[in-house]
Amino acid sequence: QVQLQESGPGLVKPSETLSLTCSVSGDSISTYYWSWIRQPPGKGLEWIGNIYYSGSTNYNPSLKSRVTISVDTSKNQFSLKMSSVTAADTAVYYCARVGGGGNNWFDPWGQGTLVTVSS
Amino acid sequence: DIQMTQSPSSLSASVGDRITITCRASQSIRSYLNWYQQKPGNAPKLLIYAASTLQSGVPSRFSGSGSGTDFTLTVSSLQPEDFATYFCQQSYTMPLTFGGGTKVEIK
Repeated sequence: QVQLQESGPGLVKPSETLSLTCSVSGDSISTYYWSWIRQPPGKGLEWIGNIYYSGSTNYNPSLKSRVTISVDTSKNQFSLKMSSVTAADTAVYYCARVGGGGNNWFDPWGQGTLVTVSS
Repeated sequence: DIQMTQSPSSLSASVGDRITITCRASQSIRSYLNWYQQKPGNAPKLLIYAASTLQSGVPSRFSGSGSGTDFTLTVSSLQPEDFATYFCQQSYTMPLTFGGGTKVEIK
């Protein structure tokens, strides 16, 4: 079955760029939309954005100015870059597959990776 | 943005209890409502999509209903493994948004 695994630095300095990669196994990335979602410690979930294998993206307007999601079909991976981070960006970052047929539910999810923004 | 409001924010229940969690959208989302279960330290898991369709592998004691702005998640007989936090999510329009969560604790 499809599995997702996030990877990237667990500590990022304020004002720098957060970079994460999601590796997909058990399914072709060229089949669905894929998403990034985050969860600050002890808080709720926030959708960051989606990407299709073609490179078509949708972003949360609240983060759009700082976020870029890209895809590498040759590696079956997609990535997140978030610039000018602050402590408010400290969160567990999840990647997930988006339900097909225009139905934007998330299943499955990666295990998540904690990113702490601190000097 | 569509605001999703869950109630209650937490509840205490016993094994075998029937519980209901409510999710209200700030505008009609038709049946574009999904439910997730999250246990401490784990990623959320999809339980129900399109308001009432049980995801494969999810026990039948879970059910969902509603349309428009008001939705419910019901667990007919709470089991020990069901103590977790539950989130609703609207998939009607972007930005996709989640409810604040309902924590189900052991009484």
